[in-house]
Amino acid sequence: AQRVTQPEKLLSVFKGAPVELKCNYSYSGSPELFWYVQYSRQRLQLLLRHISRESIKGFTADLNKGETSFHLKKPFAQEEDSAMYYCAPPWGNDYKLSFGAGTTVTVRA
Amino acid sequence: EAGVTQFPSHSVIEKGQTVTLRCDPISGHDNLYWYRRVMGKEIKFLLHFVKESKQDESGMPNNRFLAERTGGTYSTLKVQPAELEDSGVYFCASSPEGGGIMNTEAFFGQGTRLTVV
Repeated sequence: AQRVTQPEKLLSVFKGAPVELKCNYSYSGSPELFWYVQYSRQRLQLLLRHISRESIKGFTADLNKGETSFHLKKPFAQEEDSAMYYCAPPWGNDYKLSFGAGTTVTVRA
Repeated sequence: EAGVTQFPSHSVIEKGQTVTLRCDPISGHDNLYWYRRVMGKEIKFLLHFVKESKQDESGMPNNRFLAERTGGTYSTLKVQPAELEDSGVYFCASSPEGGGIMNTEAFFGQGTRLTVV
């Protein structure tokens, strides 16, 4: 089964500082991963997906096959980035979307 | 277009009572998922419908939980009788494809916060 690990439950950074959320995967096959985010009082939503190679809200995520990682990064964190972030592996043959344990990010002024 | 909607947004019930949660997916979405987040942050899969059929219910905690999806449209999740450990936020999500599309996005509802006292 596809699995991802998010080692950090909590992450606190100052506004303007870089932020990196770790995600490691441990399965074979095409590592087309996702990052989902939930802001306060909003629904869980897709932030970005590896297959699109996109940058959303200043965030990027680079796939590193050697380290089996898909860390989420932003060079200058903003207060509005405070949220819960979930790494998600690709849909498997069972068509089931699962999530990592999640990382709560707090950006302090 | 309306997103995924869930009712109620919040429910407080006593232990032993019954609660029914409802999810209306985005129209035309074949896949419907239920998830639960308890005691913190981790989101746990409960089950997956493809149209009206249960594709995977391996995450359902026990037989006190019953999910249905009438006619492949909206879905209900009933907890009977509710226990204290059932408290948490229940999320519903839907996606448009039959499955197996790696870049398919799942759309989530706002969640139902269930508190069992």
